[in-house]
Amino acid sequence: AQTVTQSQPEMSVQEAETVTLSCTYDTSESDYYLFWYKQPPSRQMILVIRQEAYKQQNATENRFSVNFQKAAKSFSLKISDSQLGDAAMYFCAYRSGNTGNQFYFGTGTSLTVIP
Amino acid sequence: EAGVAQSPRYKIIEKRQSVAFWCNPISGHATLYWYQQILGQGPKLLIQFQNNGVVDDSQLPKDRFSAERLKGVDSTLKIQPAKLEDSAVYLCASSLAAGVNEQFFGPGTRLTVL
Repeated sequence: AQTVTQSQPEMSVQEAETVTLSCTYDTSESDYYLFWYKQPPSRQMILVIRQEAYKQQNATENRFSVNFQKAAKSFSLKISDSQLGDAAMYFCAYRSGNTGNQFYFGTGTSLTVIP
Repeated sequence: EAGVAQSPRYKIIEKRQSVAFWCNPISGHATLYWYQQILGQGPKLLIQFQNNGVVDDSQLPKDRFSAERLKGVDSTLKIQPAKLEDSAVYLCASSLAAGVNEQFFGPGTRLTVL
């Protein structure tokens, strides 16, 4: 099974500053998808951003962008102009493009935004 | 558009008791997932349905866990009998179809087994 590693259990950032959350993954596949999910204290998980492995261009969604390094199997999330509402658990996830639909999640990074 | 609904939101039981969770996916979503999220860990897939058929239940502890989606809409997940290590949040998610990237998650049910 694929593994997803988030080595930062907790991170903090000052409001309006930029923070980067790290994620690495292990796979032998060439076709896959990567995701960042946000889980606020209410526990409803929502999709922040996704990246298709075949795309070289890094995905961007407003203040959220990724740095996808396929050879290094690294997929970090950058949050610019951090806002109080960004405080949450962030999960990195992997889905195979070949062998089914199961998502493999990392252990999460708890982000605190300091006013 | 209504989101994924789950009930109850919280449940406390004693070990060896039974418990059931209910999920109503987004209307029209053919694929439904149940995840177990233990404190400090990421969600782990327990079972995936495509309409009313099981696609993947490889990580479902079948000696005590069961799930059904009889009419291809609502789903129930049951634990019988519960163990202390079953304490977790149980998340339901749905997607338009299998292979579609975006899953929509419900708020979860927090289970505490004493």
